[in-house]
Amino acid sequence: NAGVTQTPKFRVLKTGQSMTLLCAQDMNHEYMYWYRQDPGMGLRLIHYSVGEGTTAKGEVPDGYNVSRLKKQNFLLGLESAAPSQTSVYFCASSLWPLHTGELFFGEGSRLTVL
Amino acid sequence: EDKVVQSPLSLVVHEGDTVTLNCSYEVTNFRSLLWYKQEKKAPTFLFMLTSSGIEKKSGRLSSILDKKELFSILNITATQTGDSAVYLCAVEAPTGANSKLTFGKGITLSVRP
Repeated sequence: NAGVTQTPKFRVLKTGQSMTLLCAQDMNHEYMYWYRQDPGMGLRLIHYSVGEGTTAKGEVPDGYNVSRLKKQNFLLGLESAAPSQTSVYFCASSLWPLHTGELFFGEGSRLTVL
Repeated sequence: EDKVVQSPLSLVVHEGDTVTLNCSYEVTNFRSLLWYKQEKKAPTFLFMLTSSGIEKKSGRLSSILDKKELFSILNITATQTGDSAVYLCAVEAPTGANSKLTFGKGITLSVRP
């Protein structure tokens, strides 16, 4: 009954460090997304993937890279973290490109960059 | 640029009250409008609306879309403390072969006993 699982759930980084957030889904969904959520800003799309081996930029892609080497996994990388990347990151997946309306979200990863 | 505006940004009510949450939008090529509830962690899906004037209902929650006036409302009757959450509205618009969701900033609802 896992659904969408994100790791780690919390992380503190120093400016300039790198890290990778891992998202795994067990629902055989084609579409996967990375969002960030900041106070007063709503959810903003960073990158998304429409299938294994594909990625595309969302609304706020700068400073992030992604990879989808396996259908069930979607990785979000920060090569050189900046304080502006302090946020809560949500991964989501869907069966179709949103036509059914339901995105399945992970529980979030809280990242603090000092 | 697509825009989704929710109002009010926050409200506090007492158990048993009825609340109406608003969502207005400006998007190119509207496809659907979605409501999510976010408690402490992950947003969970409530409704998807595509047609004007047709109410979607689930228990004490209901929602309706007005495509002419470009807005939707989410009603919660007989509120309970468990309804306390952030309610997110999002609008789907096609982008080529895919589509994208634009989220509003959310409405924080607090229901007091």
